[in-house]
Amino acid sequence: DAGVTQSPTHLIKTRGQQVTLRCSPKSGHDTVSWYQQALGQGPQFIFQYYEEEERQRGNFPDRFSGHQFPNYSSELNVNALLLGDSALYLCASRTSGLYEQYFGPGTRLTVT
Amino acid sequence: QKEVEQDPGPLSVPEGAIVSLNCTYSNSAFQYFMWYRQYSRKGPELLMYTYSSGNKEDGRFTAQVDKSSKYISLFIRDSQPSDSATYLCAMSVSSASKIIFGSGTRLSIRP
Repeated sequence: DAGVTQSPTHLIKTRGQQVTLRCSPKSGHDTVSWYQQALGQGPQFIFQYYEEEERQRGNFPDRFSGHQFPNYSSELNVNALLLGDSALYLCASRTSGLYEQYFGPGTRLTVT
Repeated sequence: QKEVEQDPGPLSVPEGAIVSLNCTYSNSAFQYFMWYRQYSRKGPELLMYTYSSGNKEDGRFTAQVDKSSKYISLFIRDSQPSDSATYLCAMSVSSASKIIFGSGTRLSIRP
C-alpha cells in the first residue's frame, strides 16, 4: 500500500513564475492538507480539501490556491512566486472523521 | 507571540540517555497534542498523540500533557542513534481543525 506521494521532488522556479505541485493521498484517505515548511521551521498550514472543496485555510495570500479531484488527489498552485516562497511543501492525508494524518515526503521548491 | 513555542536546540546526548523534549502553548482551546519525528529531507512521521491532559506511553516514548500549565513533553528512554532527528510538537483544537506546529527541536544521539 503506497503512502502519500508527491511530485515533483524538487523544483526550481524564477521569481514571478507560477508553479503546480501534486499530491496523491494514501489509499482510503479522502482529506488532503497542504503545509509549507521553511528551513529550520515547523510546517505551516496552508489549506485543507475535502469533497473537492477548500474547508479550512491558514494565513496565506490568495496567490496560493488548490484543487482536489474526484479521486481525492490534490494540487497546490502558487502564482507570482516570491523568493520567500522557497520552502518544502508537504501534503498530508487522512480519512474524514479519523484523526491521524500521514505526510508525504514533500516537494522542495526553490525560487531564484 | 507564537501559539506554540519549542526550543530549537540542537540537543546532543549520549546513547542510552533519557531525552526530554518540551513545548509551551498559549491557546487554551487546544485539545489534541501530537509529537512528530522528521528525518532530514523526509516528511514528518506521527509518533504519538494525546487527547486532553495526561500521560501516554508507547515503548520507549512517553508523552505528557499539562493543560493547566499549557506545557507538553516527550520523553525518550534508552535513546538510540536512530532517534537522531528533528522532533516537532503539534496541536489542534479538534480532530478536524488545522494543526499548529512548533518550530522543531533537532536531536542528536551520540554513539
